[in-house]
Formats: sequence, C-alpha cells, structure tokens
Amino acid sequence: ETGVTQSPTHLIKTRGQQVTLRCSSQSGHNTVSWYQQALGQGPQFIFQYYREEENGRGNFPPRFSGLQFPNYSSELNVNALELDDSALYLCASSSELAGASYEQYFGPGTRLTVT
Amino acid sequence: GENVEQHPSTLSVQEGDSAVIKCTYSDSASNYFPWYKQELGKRPQLIIDIRSNVGEKKDQRIAVTLNKTAKHFSLHITETQPEDSAVYFCAASVDFNKFYFGSGTKLNVKP
Repeated sequence: ETGVTQSPTHLIKTRGQQVTLRCSSQSGHNTVSWYQQALGQGPQFIFQYYREEENGRGNFPPRFSGLQFPNYSSELNVNALELDDSALYLCASSSELAGASYEQYFGPGTRLTVT
Repeated sequence: GENVEQHPSTLSVQEGDSAVIKCTYSDSASNYFPWYKQELGKRPQLIIDIRSNVGEKKDQRIAVTLNKTAKHFSLHITETQPEDSAVYFCAASVDFNKFYFGSGTKLNVKP
C-alpha cells in the first residue's frame, strides 16, 4: 500500500451543502492531483497542485476548489453540492523532482454521496 | 482538451491467452502514457508507463506500445492469469500536470 491517505472514507451530504475532503501525500512528494471517479467510469481530472499553486485544471466548474499546504497535504472543497457530484474522489501524489519517476500514487479515496 | 478513448470496454480471455487493450488520444502534445490496474474496491495502481520518446516498453508479461503518428497506444498482457482480472485504465498527460483517463476495460481471465 502507498503512503497516501484520505479522509473521510465515506461522507453523505445534502444537495446545496459544502464539503471538504483531505489528502495527505506520500513522504517526499510535492505534487497532488485530485480526481472524480463515477461508478463504472475512469477517473476524471479535477486539478493538480504543485508547491501550493494550482498547476493544471480539468473541466470542472469553479465550485470545485482546492488548497495545498506547506507540508504538501491538500484539500478539495466542493460548494453547492449537486446530485451528480456523488462519486469516489481520489487524490494522487507524485514527485516533480528532475529525473525522478512521475508515478502517481493514489489514495484509497473518499466516497461522497449527495442526497 | 484531451480526449482518451479506450477499447474494448470488456474483455474475456482464457487463462494463458494474451489480452490487448487499445487507447487513442487527441492531443498531439501528450507525452506521457501510464496504464493503471484497479481491482474492485481498491485504488488504481500503475502497472506500466511509456513516454513519447519511446515506441515500446516491456516489463515481464506486460508491454505497452505507442504510435505517436496515429495517436494510439496499447497494453499487451501475455500468459494471462486469473489474478490479472481487474479494470484497466489508460491515461494521457502533457508534461505530467494534467492526466486524462480512458473509460476502462474490465478484463476477465477464465481459469
């Protein structure tokens, strides 16, 4: 198992509410990416953070926002939750050091259910 | 943005046979192509990757080929085993800061 952890494991929210998901990256990794994985689908890229700055963003609306902290852990915030936001949210950490592997190590995910 | 298509969506093979999964991508700037295996209820795990300056890469029973001109890449698994049964995802990335995944292939290896 990788050193990437996520919390909480499961979460149930009501439409219109806000949610914060957390990710602790693997030791030595300075880059965190967030993905949304709907049931039976591939992960959809939300955004990536590198050294506390957003470094790339997929096709998600602004109500999906994030933060990366000096210890490289990260948060994903989703405002005004919609039923379609129900999914598994995965974070993945990697290292951008020159010459290092760019392998992404995924966390176990947070299962979000919006009712 | 990048669009990654993956085929087939399901693949059933007999143990010992080979399995091939194909992906196409749309952004010619994509330069990194990883493959992930995801078992039921578990996180995706990298099984092999290839960069755009290489045409083929092998790791024991697994190989990946890349055709940059045609913008497609494939995963080849030889001598399949029941423990190879899982969902496999391809992905494409430009400079490692955006990753676009295919929709997945459910591989079933029958003993």
